[in-house]
Amino acid sequence: ETGVTQTPRHLVMGMTNKKSLKCEQHLGHNAMYWYKQSAKKPLELMFVYNFKEQTENNSVPSRFSPECPNSSHLFLHLHTLQPEDSALYLCASSQLGQGKGYTFGSGTRLTVV
Amino acid sequence: GNSVTQMEGPVTLSEEAFLTINCTYTATGYPSLFWYVQYPGEGLQLLLKATKADDKGSNKGFEATYRKETTSFHLEKGSVQVSDSAVYFCALSKNSGYALNFGKGTSLLVTP
Repeated sequence: ETGVTQTPRHLVMGMTNKKSLKCEQHLGHNAMYWYKQSAKKPLELMFVYNFKEQTENNSVPSRFSPECPNSSHLFLHLHTLQPEDSALYLCASSQLGQGKGYTFGSGTRLTVV
Repeated sequence: GNSVTQMEGPVTLSEEAFLTINCTYTATGYPSLFWYVQYPGEGLQLLLKATKADDKGSNKGFEATYRKETTSFHLEKGSVQVSDSAVYFCALSKNSGYALNFGKGTSLLVTP
């Protein structure tokens, strides 16, 4: 248990489905992040939230929609995905200003069929 | 912009061999530097870090020294174990605790 919990661990969805990934952190951190990890590619930063406000959106397609209702919870809403969106989606949190890096969750393995 | 370059893997070593995974960075100023490890089926875990030049981070027998003159943060371990098999990521943070830039990762396989 790292202090960052992601659910579900595995998800298979059709291209017309709508689903959501959930992330919860128990560390009192004030920043949260979504990363996409695809085979043979670098980790891709998708979204950044500081104090519940989105501060970064790295040209992510609109079929990915983040939501951060409070500093402990982060969601990634998915709709009309493509097979190339299949990947491991990692959530992380950090405390700004402390220089201690991120704490990652175990990820959600998403397969789009 | 800020970036990290790691040696390409996979790296295959026998148990008890010496490990070096090279990492160099490009950044202005004085970034913080990190090594993360990802075991199969899991997320990334912080392995070690260094926040200023000449700092040495260490954990679980792994070490890395922040070398500003060569802009490097190479990961080393004197004697690897099978349980060290994982993917290792070098990363930097220009601002404290924010916006990590990752390398592509280096896969390590240790055989008995």
